Parts: sequence; structure tokens; C-alpha cells
Amino acid sequence: DTEVTQTPKHLVMGMTNKKSLKCEQHMGHRAMYWYKQKAKKPPELMFVYSYEKLSINESVPSRFSPECPNSSLLNLHLHALQPEDSALYLCASSFSVWESGGSGYTGELFFGEGSRLTVL
Amino acid sequence: KNEVEQSPQNLTAQEGEFITINCSYSVGISALHWLQQHPGGGIVSLFMLSSGKKKHGRLIATINIQEKHSSLHITASHPRDSAVYICAVKETSGSRLTFGEGTQLTVNP
Repeated sequence: DTEVTQTPKHLVMGMTNKKSLKCEQHMGHRAMYWYKQKAKKPPELMFVYSYEKLSINESVPSRFSPECPNSSLLNLHLHALQPEDSALYLCASSFSVWESGGSGYTGELFFGEGSRLTVL
Repeated sequence: KNEVEQSPQNLTAQEGEFITINCSYSVGISALHWLQQHPGGGIVSLFMLSSGKKKHGRLIATINIQEKHSSLHITASHPRDSAVYICAVKETSGSRLTFGEGTQLTVNP
């Protein structure tokens, strides 16, 4: 099983709603990532979890709240979003988090299909 | 100037043509990724390279570390190859990927 599964595929929400995006992998990967991608732009890193602990937060607004309940699951909780938050949200996983210095880099990424979010 | 530059930005080819997409970068790297993204979103990792050349089916990726340059070649292109191809590098002095802007490839039948 080399899949990263994201649900839902599409989500429309109002600015006062609370919703969650879910990501699941069963490859034994210990690093999981959330990326945000706007149309015709490359993905932008939001969060990195390594061994179920948050290791990188790219100064993401607090209306986005990540959660890693176990090594296979990654959630992104959404609350009080703005229309400009509408984007494709991509989850990815890798065997381990990238290691500085280049040694032992095992960072091949496996991406999910993404959750397309529209905020009205 | 972006740290990762791809060319061309857009490429249209006829089915069967040989295609080359280029990626140049300006930083020291420990690895370079080629990714494919189809309309609708999902990204597939095609190659991860740190030196030399890799081949998978009709796809070939090469990297020249001294020249800080990588190429992705597609032989006997097919309409199903139509997608955005993204180059991304893992810098030696960091823990993030830096992405290029992507190359939109359209292969016409």
C-alpha cells in the first residue's frame, strides 16, 4: 500500500464553520506534511510532523490547527477561515523527516490527491 | 531570482515527440525531486536524484551536480503525459523542499 488518502476531496465552508481535513497513510512513514497550493503555483509547506510531534510550523495562522493522533493519521482543523484560504490542501508523507547535512536523506515524498477547499 | 528555475514554463508537443524539461538551482542540495501533477490535484513523485541518471519506463531524469542542473526527458510522449511537472530541491542546509514554478506540458494526439 503506497497510498496517502485524503478526505474529503472537496469541501465548501462558510467563514464561521468548523471543519476538518483528514489524511491517512499505512506505509510506516514517520513524517507527515500539510501543504497549501493555490492555482498555478507550487505547493507551500504549512506543517511538518515527525514521530507524531509538530516539528515545523511555517508561521501558519492559528485558524489552521494540525493534529497527529497517531503515526498513520494527520488532521487539519479549520475554523474561522477567510475566502483567501480557498486552495488545494495536500498531505504528504515520507519515511522520515529530512535530515540537515544531507546524510541519510530518506525524503521521498508520497502525496495524497488533495482536498479542494472553498471558503465562502 | 528564484532558487529553483524551470524551463520552459509551458510546452506543447505532438504525440510521439521527445520532450525535455529543465531545472536549474542556485543552492547546494542533497537531493532533487521531479514531481508530476495532473489536473485535479494529486502529485506523484517521479524521481528523487542525488547524482547521475535514473530511468523509469519512458521517463529519464539526469542531474549534473557541478552545473546545478537537472533535466527530465519523456520519450515517445503521449497525451496522458499532459500534466504539470515540478522540480523541487532539498537543500543541504535546511529541512524543507524548495519548489520550482512548474512546467505545464500538453501533448496533443
